[in-house]
Amino acid sequence: SYALTQPLSVSVAPGETARIPCGGNNLGAKSVHWYQQKPGQAPVLVIYSDVARPSGIPERFSGSSSGNQAFLTISRVEAGDEADYYCQVWGFGSGLRVFGGGTKLTVL
Amino acid sequence: QVHLVESGGELVQPGGSLRLSCVASGFPFSTSNMNWVRQAPGKGLEWVAYTSRDGVIKYHADSAKGRLTISRDNFNNRLFLQMNSLMAEDTAVYYCAKHGEGGSLDHWGQGTLVTVSS
Repeated sequence: SYALTQPLSVSVAPGETARIPCGGNNLGAKSVHWYQQKPGQAPVLVIYSDVARPSGIPERFSGSSSGNQAFLTISRVEAGDEADYYCQVWGFGSGLRVFGGGTKLTVL
Repeated sequence: QVHLVESGGELVQPGGSLRLSCVASGFPFSTSNMNWVRQAPGKGLEWVAYTSRDGVIKYHADSAKGRLTISRDNFNNRLFLQMNSLMAEDTAVYYCAKHGEGGSLDHWGQGTLVTVSS
């Protein structure tokens, strides 16, 4: 079965740029989506189809994908960005969805 | 705006059954594919099941096959998850989520907690 790999944690100082990786076999050929989840809250979609941003998501959030990795980049990180971030792909035609294990972003 | 509200979660004994419900509003439910996703305490997200807009096509995660079954009632804008033969490993917050572009999940409910314990 397909698996997505994420680091357990990423730390960054306020105002700096956070880059969260997501690894998977030939990931660049799939659409990758990213979710933000704060404690006690439901996940929120922040990037879909590798690079698109839903309405209401700040421009500081961006996505990229190439080869076997995708990245969620958060520019000018704020304290409010501290959360768990999950990548996800969808097996088209099978309905199968796979999530990465999640990365905890800590703002120092 | 899109609103998804889950209900039905409670404490249940191992081997027991439960039916979760999700009522949808603010979007054309009958033309939207839907999903259930769960999250065990302190753990990550796990996709559970998918149903096409008309309920004809359904997919379930291997962990759910044969025990957890997704269904929908488009007349009443409701999504369901029938849970049978529950095990401790099914303890989790269960979210209903709307299918979005590219296979994303663009809207989520607030979740309902299922606890399987004796």
